[in-house]
Amino acid sequence: DAGITQSPRHKVTETGTPVTLRCHQTENHRYMYWYRQDPGHGLRLIHYSYGVKDTDKGEVSDGYSVSRSKTEDFLLTLESATSSQTSVYFCAMDSGTSGYTFGSGTRLTVV
Amino acid sequence: AQSVTQLDSHVSVSEGTPVLLRCNYSSSYSPSLFWYVQHPNKGLQLLLKYTSAATLVKGINGFEAEFKKSETSFHLTKPSAHMSDAAEYFCVVSDRGSGGYNKLIFGAGTRLAVHP
Repeated sequence: DAGITQSPRHKVTETGTPVTLRCHQTENHRYMYWYRQDPGHGLRLIHYSYGVKDTDKGEVSDGYSVSRSKTEDFLLTLESATSSQTSVYFCAMDSGTSGYTFGSGTRLTVV
Repeated sequence: AQSVTQLDSHVSVSEGTPVLLRCNYSSSYSPSLFWYVQHPNKGLQLLLKYTSAATLVKGINGFEAEFKKSETSFHLTKPSAHMSDAAEYFCVVSDRGSGGYNKLIFGAGTRLAVHP
């Protein structure tokens, strides 16, 4: 969506390797989020950030870490990828009165 | 903690007939509620939101939802389904974090199929 982009859009990686997904926004919004989407579960919150270097865990944070060194970038890292982390990952930013704006998603496959 | 239950995982309607997607929420305070739509292989788009103003909320593409506090419900409706409405729909409640920011809590989703 306008103002927020995710990269890569698709990735296949091997079990045990580290993976980093990037979320970039151009709106200077303070709050950013990483979700994963799995069938039957909707979207579940992994981590969120409420400012530069300020992050906290969501409900499914095990195996993931995040970093936010600049307002515009929010990185999600899988320390050692497992097959259970095969999913579609969405980044979002809180756009205030407009609600949340979501990125287009990253489809990650761990083989 | 806030939670959301979407009562139907799949709904199938004929084109031109009404749509009803059901959602119940649990919240310890007056919540903000949303409906998002996701078309196949696409991101999420906001349909409408309720933030303690009018209880009947109108959204895009002819959808609307009614907030009923006594029933803790926020059902999504549309008078006449169109083929392009086929998608997955998520009911969402906003949970207030300790730092004053909002986290979105998603329901499991309802997949809407529209038949000619």
